[in-house]
Amino acid sequence: DGGITQSPKYLFRKEGQNVTLSCEQNLNHDAMYWYRQDPGQGLRLIYYSQIVNDFQKGDIAEGYSVSREKKESFPLTVTSAQKNPTAFYLCASKVGTAHNSPLHFGNGTRLTVT
Amino acid sequence: EDQVTQSPEALRLQEGESSSLNCSYTVSGLRGLFWYRQDPGKGPEFLFTLYSAGEEKEKERLKATLTKKESFLHITAPKPEDSATYLCAVIGASYDKVIFGPGTSLSVIP
Repeated sequence: DGGITQSPKYLFRKEGQNVTLSCEQNLNHDAMYWYRQDPGQGLRLIYYSQIVNDFQKGDIAEGYSVSREKKESFPLTVTSAQKNPTAFYLCASKVGTAHNSPLHFGNGTRLTVT
Repeated sequence: EDQVTQSPEALRLQEGESSSLNCSYTVSGLRGLFWYRQDPGKGPEFLFTLYSAGEEKEKERLKATLTKKESFLHITAPKPEDSATYLCAVIGASYDKVIFGPGTSLSVIP
């Protein structure tokens, strides 16, 4: 079955360490997204990518970085510059950005930084 | 500024007690409104897309409707398995960003 796989499900890191969250999709979608979810808030967009080797900042990109070397993969790095990194991170994809089709989500990675 | 709000923040229903969730939006040139269901610790699961005012979609006990300013998710005779957080999102004329509301947490008590 086609879908989005995020790994790991849970991630624990010490403050000051960079950490990379994995996102892989086999839906053949062009556009991929990273969202952050905090209690009581809507999903907030971190980065998105429309095609390989291209990506744009979302609303809360500071302290994060991404790469898109393959169509199927869109890893997110949470750097030590991110002031409040503990959150639930969701990866999503859709057919293309210039399209009103719905987003498809992975099952998230819960990151805890202490 | 594009914005999505949802009410109530939380809703507790008895099994079989029908109700509605509200999603109010302001967006330049609505291209689509989406409803998702999210279970604890999981990613959102797509339910419906609505494209224009007056449109309605149904799935089992759920029915989504759309006006020019808001959408309603009607839940008829809910069951405990309907308990989840329901998210509303919109996409506007720029297409590239999907704006999410904070969600409504629904609990259905047997």
